[in-house]
Amino acid sequence: DIQMTQSPSTLSASVGDRVTITCRASQSISIWLAWYQQKPGKAPELLIYQASSLESGVPSRFSGSGSGTEFTLTISSLQPDDFATYYCQQYNSLYTFGQGTKLEIK
Amino acid sequence: EVQLVQSGAEVKKPGESLKISCKGSGYSFPNYWIGWVRQMPGKGLEWMGIIYPGDSDTRYSPSFQGQVTISADKSISTAYLQWSSLKASDTAMYYCARPMDTGKNYYPVDVWGQGTTVTVSS
Repeated sequence: DIQMTQSPSTLSASVGDRVTITCRASQSISIWLAWYQQKPGKAPELLIYQASSLESGVPSRFSGSGSGTEFTLTISSLQPDDFATYYCQQYNSLYTFGQGTKLEIK
Repeated sequence: EVQLVQSGAEVKKPGESLKISCKGSGYSFPNYWIGWVRQMPGKGLEWMGIIYPGDSDTRYSPSFQGQVTISADKSISTAYLQWSSLKASDTAMYYCARPMDTGKNYYPVDVWGQGTTVTVSS
């Protein structure tokens, strides 16, 4: 099965900062990668799919890039609502999540 | 409106059996995969497995193969996750999840159930 590794596990940042989260796959998954945001006590929400396609209704400050085994999620200017946990997920072969990145207020 | 509505919270003892449910509405239930995701307290998301209600094709992640059973009844648009003998380590929140497109390819999830909390304690 395909393993997904995210880094960092925790990220401290301030409102207005630009932040990047990385996700690596144990084998090539082409562009079949999604990013989710999860807030405490809530189900995850889809942000990005197909590595770089923005889900409808998601603010344009979120962007994704990458292909093969290396992917990134970038938030261009952090807003207070963005402090949450982020997960990557491959859907090339069944599904696997990364372990998550908790984005904290500095 | 497309919705997945899950059954309520459960408190069980080790060794007991359990079946939780996820009812889909607002879309063609047989034609979309339905998956199950585990989230243990304070931990990340884990994909457990998935079922295609149209033909009952079921696929499990290796860590969950043999540990749980996923099923579906397309006549009532409901998917199930069941355990034959619960362990304390099964204590978690369980989400059902529907990918964004029809057919047997895999797609990202755009519809989630509200989650079912399962607590296993003696």
